[in-house]
Formats: sequence, C-alpha cells, structure tokens
Amino acid sequence: DAGITQSPRYKITETGRQVTLMCHQTWSHSYMFWYRQDLGHGLRLIYYSAAADITDKGEVPDGYVVSRSKTENFPLTLESATRSQTSVYFCASSPTGANVLTFGAGSRLTVL
Amino acid sequence: ILNVEQSPQSLHVQEGDSTNFTCSFPSSNFYALHWYRWETAKSPEALFVMTLNGDEKKKGRISATLNTKEGYSYLYIKGSQPEDSATYLCAGDSNYQLIWGAGTKLIIKP
Repeated sequence: DAGITQSPRYKITETGRQVTLMCHQTWSHSYMFWYRQDLGHGLRLIYYSAAADITDKGEVPDGYVVSRSKTENFPLTLESATRSQTSVYFCASSPTGANVLTFGAGSRLTVL
Repeated sequence: ILNVEQSPQSLHVQEGDSTNFTCSFPSSNFYALHWYRWETAKSPEALFVMTLNGDEKKKGRISATLNTKEGYSYLYIKGSQPEDSATYLCAGDSNYQLIWGAGTKLIIKP
C-alpha cells in the first residue's frame, strides 16, 4: 500500500528495555522525521533525516537513536526505555525540507 | 530557533458561526508557515504552506493569511460545521526545521 506506515501502533514495555518503532514510506521522500506528542506540548522533533545515511538531532534527541540505511525506512530506537518516554510518536515524511509533511498514524508507547 | 505561539488554546463555536485564531512567530529567521488540522485519533493533515508576506490561501471554507513583517498568521473558518472540530496546528519553518505551536482546539457546538 502506498503511504507512510508506522509499527507497532501500540506498545507496552518496561523501564530499561530496548524498543524500536518502525516507519516506512513508499514515496521515496527524501526527508523523514520523528516527533513525539505529549499533553501540554506541541509536536517536538526528536530526529530527522534529509536522505539515506544522513540524520540530525531535533529538539529532544536524548535517549533515542535513529538510522536511515534505506530511503524508505527510518526506525527510531529507545535503547533503554524510561517512563518519561511514554508518549505518542509520529513519523512523517516530505519530498524536500520545505514541503508539507505527511504523517503516519502514530505509535502509542507506554513505558511501565 | 523559532518560538511559535497559538491562541486561543481552545475555542467553542456555535455551528454555522465563523471563527478565526492566531499563530505568532518571530519575524526574523522565517522561511515558511504551515497550518495542519489534527482530528482526534488521527494524524495531522496539511492545510496550507505559506511563504510570502501578504499571502492568502483558501481551501473550501477555510482560509489563512500571513504577515511575515509582524510575525503572525490567521486561520479563518467560515460557517463552522461539526466536521471542523479538530486541533489546528501551525508550524514555523526555519532552516528546514518545523517548530510547532501547541495548537488551538476547536469544538463546534450543534
């Protein structure tokens, strides 16, 4: 299916565990982004990528790791999950850095 | 880095009434202003991207204006309908990084 898909949609994990959220887009968009959305905050950028093998930190990168070995995939890894990382995570993509973003459906992560 | 403010935080509007809300951003270091609509349990969807001072965009009953010199954008909804209930996000684009406002939550009362 064409579009941008995130998996898993829902995940419950325990403090200290490693978790990877997957993001896959079928448009060959150059730019991909990971945001987290928390009550009382707007969307906050965690990491973004301008192309395969190019990633850069956003506003709140601590505790997260990303990779972009292929244009279509942009996984987000929490190496040792903490309760403060309980959030809804959105992946997005755009053809260029100045274009509109298309968002995935979101991944709701709960860290116990 | 931009600091983007939206007001009001929430808004209750009678069905059929028109409404508007504001997005403010520092006028320096500006590249573009984005508006998105975010319905509950869905993901944000793009409405407009504006770059030029004085720009005005329209999509059905929704329109937006941009003033880059004074650092604000207005979003207008004419004749509000229940399906307009959503959170409206604006984001300032500076150096290809979007900085998001916290959103205006619009609730349409039947």
